[in-house]
Amino acid sequence: EPEVTQTPSHQVTQMGQEVILRCVPISNHLYFYWYRQILGQKVEFLVSFYNNEISEKSEIFDDQFSVERPDGSNFTLKIRSTKLEDSAMYFCASSEGLGSNQPQHFGDGTRLSIL
Amino acid sequence: AQSVTQLDSQVPVFEEAPVELRCNYSSSVSVYLFWYVQYPNQGLQLLLKYLSGSTLVESINGFEAEFNKSQTSFHLRKPSVHISDTAEYFCAVRATGGFKTIFGAGTRLFVKA
Repeated sequence: EPEVTQTPSHQVTQMGQEVILRCVPISNHLYFYWYRQILGQKVEFLVSFYNNEISEKSEIFDDQFSVERPDGSNFTLKIRSTKLEDSAMYFCASSEGLGSNQPQHFGDGTRLSIL
Repeated sequence: AQSVTQLDSQVPVFEEAPVELRCNYSSSVSVYLFWYVQYPNQGLQLLLKYLSGSTLVESINGFEAEFNKSQTSFHLRKPSVHISDTAEYFCAVRATGGFKTIFGAGTRLFVKA
């Protein structure tokens, strides 16, 4: 069964540095998402992306964050000038088509640790 | 806005016993409802979903959930659990017409031999 893949599985970065988290969504999917889960807390929506544009974002997704689909397969989340509180598990997800009833398929996540 | 409440943070149960994981939601608009499961060191896997139609939905591994609109609940049940069902279970909602999935805090199911 096709799956969403995320790299790296664990990223350790110094506070203030930039980090890029990478995702390869399922190939025929059109909608892409990023979520995060701070340790011990809920999974939180960050952003959705369609047709090379952000379609929806949460209040968490401020100017520190950006997303990009640099080519036909990758979907990236960039965090500029990382802070300690950015430490979390970041999940990428994708869904097949138009419609909010489409299930979102999640990757295994990237654990981001900010030192 | 939507919110999801999972009333139990942890549920310990013996193997072959029945289990119910509770989920309540609130929303001012119509929603789709989902249960996701997360095994250790893995991502979120869709377990089952309610979009419309029959209020009872089933998964391939014996779980079922019933949408109750009047009680705004979507409890997950299984009549007989296995050790392999040990995982964290997340209830989630999404507004019809929206793309943001709102998750509950999760319930850790621990199945004991």
